[in-house]
Amino acid sequence: AQTVTQSQPEMSVQEAETVTLSCTYDTSESDYYLFWYKQPPSRQMILVIRQEAYKQQNATENRFSVNFQKAAKSFSLKISDSQLGDAAMYFCAYRGFGNEKLTFGTGTRLTIIP
Amino acid sequence: DAGVTQSPTHLIKTRGQQVTLRCSPKSGHDTVSWYQQALGQGPQFIFQYYEEEERQRGNFPDRFSGHQFPNYSSELNVNALLLGDSALYLCASTLGSYNEQFFGPGTRLTVL
Repeated sequence: AQTVTQSQPEMSVQEAETVTLSCTYDTSESDYYLFWYKQPPSRQMILVIRQEAYKQQNATENRFSVNFQKAAKSFSLKISDSQLGDAAMYFCAYRGFGNEKLTFGTGTRLTIIP
Repeated sequence: DAGVTQSPTHLIKTRGQQVTLRCSPKSGHDTVSWYQQALGQGPQFIFQYYEEEERQRGNFPDRFSGHQFPNYSSELNVNALLLGDSALYLCASTLGSYNEQFFGPGTRLTVL
């Protein structure tokens, strides 16, 4: 079974600074997808960024980028120029190729310090 | 364009009762997945419905059942509620297979 581990329950960063959230996963599959989701106090999960395992290039979406290390099974999220609206729970998630199920980590609560 | 909607927002039940939660998928989506998110945890996959049939199921007991209607909306039913069923229940929709899942705001279920 696949597992996703987020070892940082809480992180904080000064507004406009950069922060990196860590995620590791365990799988025996070679094809899969990785995601970072944001869950603000409104509770609605919002997709931040996705990475296909077969792509060597790290995904980027504006201020959000990932560092995908397939051999190390590591998938970290970097948030640049942090903004107050980035404050939320961040979940790392895994989905196997040909599988519908998302497997989530336990989340990291990100606080932005004005 | 309406996103995924869920009802009710909050619900309080007592042990042993039954509950039904509802989900309307994003416009144009035909597949609905349900997740249970306990306090302080990440969401856990319950099951997914496509073409009115359960396509995949997570590690949840038979007390958890579902249904999908011809208009693609879905219900999650939980029988014989336990205290441990208290959680946020999230619905996610997608178009077809293996595409991005869009989540609703969830239903907060409290079992007393």
